[in-house]
Amino acid sequence: QKEVEQNSGPLSVPEGAIASLNCTYSDRGSQSFFWYRQYSGKSPELIMFIYSNGDKEDGRFTAQLNKASQYVSLLIRDSQPSDSATYLCAVNESMGAQKLVFGQGTRLTINP
Amino acid sequence: EAQVTQNPRYLITVTGKKLTVTCSQNMNHEYMSWYRQDPGLGLRQIYYSMNVEVTDKGDVPEGYKVSRKEKRNFPLILESPSPNQTSLYFCASSLDSKGGNQPQHFGDGTRLSIL
Repeated sequence: QKEVEQNSGPLSVPEGAIASLNCTYSDRGSQSFFWYRQYSGKSPELIMFIYSNGDKEDGRFTAQLNKASQYVSLLIRDSQPSDSATYLCAVNESMGAQKLVFGQGTRLTINP
Repeated sequence: EAQVTQNPRYLITVTGKKLTVTCSQNMNHEYMSWYRQDPGLGLRQIYYSMNVEVTDKGDVPEGYKVSRKEKRNFPLILESPSPNQTSLYFCASSLDSKGGNQPQHFGDGTRLSIL
């Protein structure tokens, strides 16, 4: 069973600081990596996706991928209280690429 | 508006009474999938479909059925619901037939309670 591991948190960050969320995965052949944000009782919402090693920036969000070390991270700059949510990491299964494997999520709280 | 639509959003029912949760997408996506989400267990895939008439089991298929007769629709059927199927259910779709290659877009969810 392929695994995606995230620290469940809660991760507490002061408003305006950088929030750093980490995810490790076991399937060395995985090629597609996704970060979703989920507010309590709501559906997962895509934040970022990354396919290549290195950094990918989109506004206040940066995804970082290191395939050699099998980790992917999400940085949120200038954190806002509205960023308080659970962040889900998802990684594709390399065999057939038919499925996404989700981590259990990291609960992030931004303190005003 | 591009979206995945699930119905109903909330349902309380009793053990053994067959029910269907509908899912429809208007994005012409090839791939569709059903997940359930339970506290402490995260999102777990129930069934998925790579195209019309092509369905396959996910990680927790027991007690569920699906069909994909049209590209846009992917209903989830509980023939004889039991209390352990009480959960929050999400339908998702993806453009690529291989659901792991591109982002999956989620419906708003169906909160199901089986008494």
